[in-house]
Amino acid sequence: AQSVAQPEDQVNVAEGNPLTVKCTYSVSGNPYLFWYVQYPNRGLQFLLKYITGDNLVKGSYGFEAEFNKSQTSFHLKKPSALVSDSALYFCAVREGKTGFQKLVFGTGTRLLVSP
Amino acid sequence: DAGVIQSPRHEVTEMGQEVTLRCKPISGHDYLFWYRQTMMRGLELLIYFNNNVPIDDSGMPEDRFSAKMPNASFSTLKIQPSEPRDSAVYFCASTAGTTDTQYFGPGTRLTVL
Repeated sequence: AQSVAQPEDQVNVAEGNPLTVKCTYSVSGNPYLFWYVQYPNRGLQFLLKYITGDNLVKGSYGFEAEFNKSQTSFHLKKPSALVSDSALYFCAVREGKTGFQKLVFGTGTRLLVSP
Repeated sequence: DAGVIQSPRHEVTEMGQEVTLRCKPISGHDYLFWYRQTMMRGLELLIYFNNNVPIDDSGMPEDRFSAKMPNASFSTLKIQPSEPRDSAVYFCASTAGTTDTQYFGPGTRLTVL
C-alpha cells in the first residue's frame, strides 16, 4: 500500500529566505505525487503535481517541487518565502496505475514565515 | 464555477443527535470524496463515489456513519447518533476522473457536545 511521510510538523523560515518542506513516499510502481496547501478555515488547495517527465515541477504561487526517485522524495521548495505562505502543507501520493486510484495524504507540515 | 459547496459551515449539536452534512460537487465532476480532519488523526478518507455509486467506504468509522449521493450534484454524510469523538472538520472534494486534482470544499466544522 502506498504511503507518504512528512517528517517535520513545523518549518520556520524568515521572509525572503528559501524554504523547503520535506516529503518522502512509498508506492508500488511509478508514483503520482501532489502538494496541497490549506489556509486557516479553508479547504485544501492544489499546488502542483508530478506525473512524469521533468523532475522539477513548477506550481502555483511560485512553489516548485523536485522528484527524486532514488531518494523517494518530493520536497516542496520556494526561493523566497512570503509571510502569506504561512499555512499547512500536505503531500499526497497515488499509484501510477491505469484508472482511478485513491490519494493518500501525509500528516501535514505547518509552515510559519516570520516577517 | 462556484467550486465545491458545503453546508453548514459550522454545526454544534448534542451527543445522540442526528447530524447531516451536505455537499454540492463541481459540475461535471464524476468523483466525490468525503474526508475527516482531526488533530490526532490528520486527514482521513471516509468514502468516495464514482458516478453517484459508492466505490470504497472502508474509511467510514462505524455504522453510525452513512453517506449517499442521490444525484450528480448532491451528497450527504449522516451521523446518527453523534458522539463527542465525531467532532472534526469534514471536507467534501470532487474531481473529474480524467485528472487527479481534487477540489476541496471549505469544510464543515462539527462540534458534538
